[in-house]
Amino acid sequence: AQKVTQAQTEISVVEKEDVTLDCVYETRDTTYYLFWYKQPPSGELVFLIRRNSFDEQNEISGRYSWNFQKSTSSFNFTITASQVVDSAVYFCALSGPYNTDKLIFGTGTRLQVFP
Amino acid sequence: SAVISQKPSRDICQRGTSLTIQCQVDSQVTMMFWYRQQPGQSLTLIATANQGSEATYESGFVIDKFPISRPNLTFSTLTVSNMSPEDSSIYLCSVLGEETQYFGPGTRLLVL
Repeated sequence: AQKVTQAQTEISVVEKEDVTLDCVYETRDTTYYLFWYKQPPSGELVFLIRRNSFDEQNEISGRYSWNFQKSTSSFNFTITASQVVDSAVYFCALSGPYNTDKLIFGTGTRLQVFP
Repeated sequence: SAVISQKPSRDICQRGTSLTIQCQVDSQVTMMFWYRQQPGQSLTLIATANQGSEATYESGFVIDKFPISRPNLTFSTLTVSNMSPEDSSIYLCSVLGEETQYFGPGTRLLVL
């Protein structure tokens, strides 16, 4: 069975702090995809990244970076120098090997960044 | 990514009534999905809607409660039937793009 665990329910930081959101997954598929989405207070889900299970290279996009470690089944997300606009709920998700496979979402981590 | 809109954006309904939520995409897409997000919870897939065929429902969701239409490649509706307060949620549609699913802005439903 597929499962995504985001153990951190809520995190509060002060602006400019770095913060890491944890994501641990379970799957029996040898090929799979991992995702991160952001849900700001407006409610819309914003796609941030997709990672293939065969690509363990870390990804950096501006202040965002992702660390994929197959050995620990983790796909963690770090925001460097956080800003108030980063306040949102962040969801980690998992799918099977096909683009048409459904997304399995974690329970989300609410990040609050205070000025 | 596709531009997705949903109507209504929010609504307050009385128990026992039904609400139809519309999802419009600015380009033709093969697969559309409907999700439910209960207060403070994660997203749960209700069903997958392909044009020209009946929707495929996930375990725990039935067509009588959540009938779905998919008349063409840019449009779908989800009806929440015979509503109860437990149906109070955000309902989101999504479409399958090249990389992933892209989501609409959601419909916030409160059932009194």
